[in-house]
Amino acid sequence: QQPVQSPQAVILREGEDAVINCSSSKALYSVHWYRQKHGEAPVFLMILLKGGEQKGHEKISASFNEKKQQSSLYLTASQLSYSGTYFCGTGDPANTGNQFYFGTGTSLTVIP
Amino acid sequence: GAVVSQHPSWVICKSGTSVKIECRSLDFQATTMFWYRQFPKQSLMLMATSNEGSKATYEQGVEKDKFLINHASLTLSTLTVTSAHPEDSSFYICSAPGNLYGYTFGSGTRLTVV
Repeated sequence: QQPVQSPQAVILREGEDAVINCSSSKALYSVHWYRQKHGEAPVFLMILLKGGEQKGHEKISASFNEKKQQSSLYLTASQLSYSGTYFCGTGDPANTGNQFYFGTGTSLTVIP
Repeated sequence: GAVVSQHPSWVICKSGTSVKIECRSLDFQATTMFWYRQFPKQSLMLMATSNEGSKATYEQGVEKDKFLINHASLTLSTLTVTSAHPEDSSFYICSAPGNLYGYTFGSGTRLTVV
């Protein structure tokens, strides 16, 4: 049920780029991306609803390959504030009976 | 909009006692609430799904008699950890489908059983 993310952890220097992958063994209706800082609740980043959709906000973007049941999160020119653990998640918020599962998580650390 | 208020933020209790965690949807009706548990450096694992007016659905391996879930109204879901033990110490968080574009999370509860 739980999507698998790779890599498990990554350390970047400020300004470098990173890609986080999310792969599911089941069909994906939508993919959600969250970032969690230590001791805090996850913060919603974005949702991709359709296969082939790509979306971005500032220097964080994501793509969704429905056929391959995969999604990737792209962080460009990383900033110190990007540090945290990133989770993908799958679920269908329009269908309240559909459970939402988080991925295994990717710890991202940006250093000066 | 779509705010979920979770209380308490943290709790320390003695082994063998029960602890109740509340999640309230403040500006919308949550017919469904998901409960997650997160151990240090691990992902958030879905424990159970509560549905207003009916029994909760528990994930495999989660003891329903230990983690009692009540969803008596459209704005309140509670998780009670009964006879808590140190291994139950964890970060518990609730979430509800807040709108078409995402889920709304509570702020989480850090449970420490001593």
